[in-house]
Amino acid sequence: AQRVTQPEKLLSVFKGAPVELKCNYSYSGSPELFWYVQYSRQRLQLLLRHISRESIKGFTADLNKGETSFHLKKPFAQEEDSAMYYCALRVQGAQKLVFGQGTRLTINP
Amino acid sequence: DVKVTQSSRYLVKRTGEKVFLECVQDMDHENMFWYRQDPGLGLRLIYFSYDVKMKEKGDIPEGYSVSREKKERFSLILESASTNQTSMYLCASSSSNSPLHFGNGTRLTVT
Repeated sequence: AQRVTQPEKLLSVFKGAPVELKCNYSYSGSPELFWYVQYSRQRLQLLLRHISRESIKGFTADLNKGETSFHLKKPFAQEEDSAMYYCALRVQGAQKLVFGQGTRLTINP
Repeated sequence: DVKVTQSSRYLVKRTGEKVFLECVQDMDHENMFWYRQDPGLGLRLIYFSYDVKMKEKGDIPEGYSVSREKKERFSLILESASTNQTSMYLCASSSSNSPLHFGNGTRLTVT
C-alpha cells in the first residue's frame, strides 16, 4: 500500500534560518506529490504540487524518485510560516490523496 | 474560487446518537471526500465518491456511512456515535486530476 512518512512531528527554527520539512513516500509507480498547509484557525490549503515546479511563498520542493522523497524547503523562514504542514501523494489513475502524519512548524522570533 | 462548506463548525453528541455531517461544494466537482484529522495520525480517508449515488470505502470506513444524492452534497453519517469518533472531520472536493479543496472542518465531540 502507498504510504507517506513525515518523520518530524514538530520542527522549530529561528526567523531567518533555513527550513526543511522532510517527506518520504513508498509507491512503485509514478506518483504525484503535494504539500498542503494549515495556518491557525484556517482551512487546509494547497501550498504546492510537484508537477507545477513553482515556488509559493518562497517554498520549493523537488521530487527525488531515487530517494522517494519530496522535501519542502525555504531558505529564510518567516514568522508567518508557522503552521501545520502535510505531505500528500496521489497514485496514477486515482483521485484520492494519501497524507502523511503532518509536521508542526514553529518559527521563533 | 472553490467553496467547500461544512454545515457545522462544532458538534457535541452523546454516545449512541446518529450523527449527520453535511458538506456542499459549489464548483460542480465530481469527486468528494471525507477525511478525519487526528494529531500524530495526519489525515485518514473515511469514504469518497466519484459521482452521484456512488461511494467507495477509504482506509477507515468502520462505523461510518455516506450519502451522495446530489452532485454538490456529500454527507457523512455516524450510525451510532462512539467516543473514539471524537475528531476533526474534513470534507474535500476535486475535479479530475486537480488538487483537493477542503472545507473548514467540523470538530465533533462524542461524550
